[in-house]
Amino acid sequence: EPEVTQTPSHQVTQMGQEVILRCVPISNHLYFYWYRQILGQKVEFLVSFYNNEISEKSEIFDDQFSVERPDGSNFTLKIRSTKLEDSAMYFCASSLAGGPAREQYFGPGTRLTVT
Amino acid sequence: TQLLEQSPQFLSIQEGENLTVYCNSSSVFSSLQWYRQEPGEGPVLLVTVVTGGEVKKLKRLTFQFGDARKDSSLHITAAQPGDTGLYLCAGARSGNTGKLIFGQGTTLQVKP
Repeated sequence: EPEVTQTPSHQVTQMGQEVILRCVPISNHLYFYWYRQILGQKVEFLVSFYNNEISEKSEIFDDQFSVERPDGSNFTLKIRSTKLEDSAMYFCASSLAGGPAREQYFGPGTRLTVT
Repeated sequence: TQLLEQSPQFLSIQEGENLTVYCNSSSVFSSLQWYRQEPGEGPVLLVTVVTGGEVKKLKRLTFQFGDARKDSSLHITAAQPGDTGLYLCAGARSGNTGKLIFGQGTTLQVKP
């Protein structure tokens, strides 16, 4: 069964460093998303991406964040200068279709620890 | 602010019992998705409901979308220890770009 994969599973970085989180969405999916989950809190939407453009971004997704689909298979989230409060699980998701019934499939997540 | 409130937050029951988890909002959603999440893993999609009043069944799990599309419920019949986990509801608003708004989750423990 096709699945979303994410690398690395755990990333430790120092405050102020840049990190790139990588995702390989399900191969025929067209819509891509990043969410994050701070320990003990709700899953929060960061950004949606379609047709090589950001469709929507949350208030969390400020100038320090960027997304890219550098080739036909990868989808990346970059944090330019990490802060302690960026420590969280970051989930990539993808969906085949748009519209209200779109079903989003999540990857296993990358645990980001900023020290 | 669009919120989804889940209740109860924690539920501990014996194997064989029935249970219902609720997901409520004051906002209308175009669809609602239920996920199950294991510790340290990503949410796994269980079901999507789209139409008001819709009922979907997945083995012993029954999902219902409220008539006004503001609430949903998950009912588990004859719970098994394998049902133990975190259950999340997530709603999508109409016309948006796929942004899901998640509830805080219900942690279910089924004791053998």
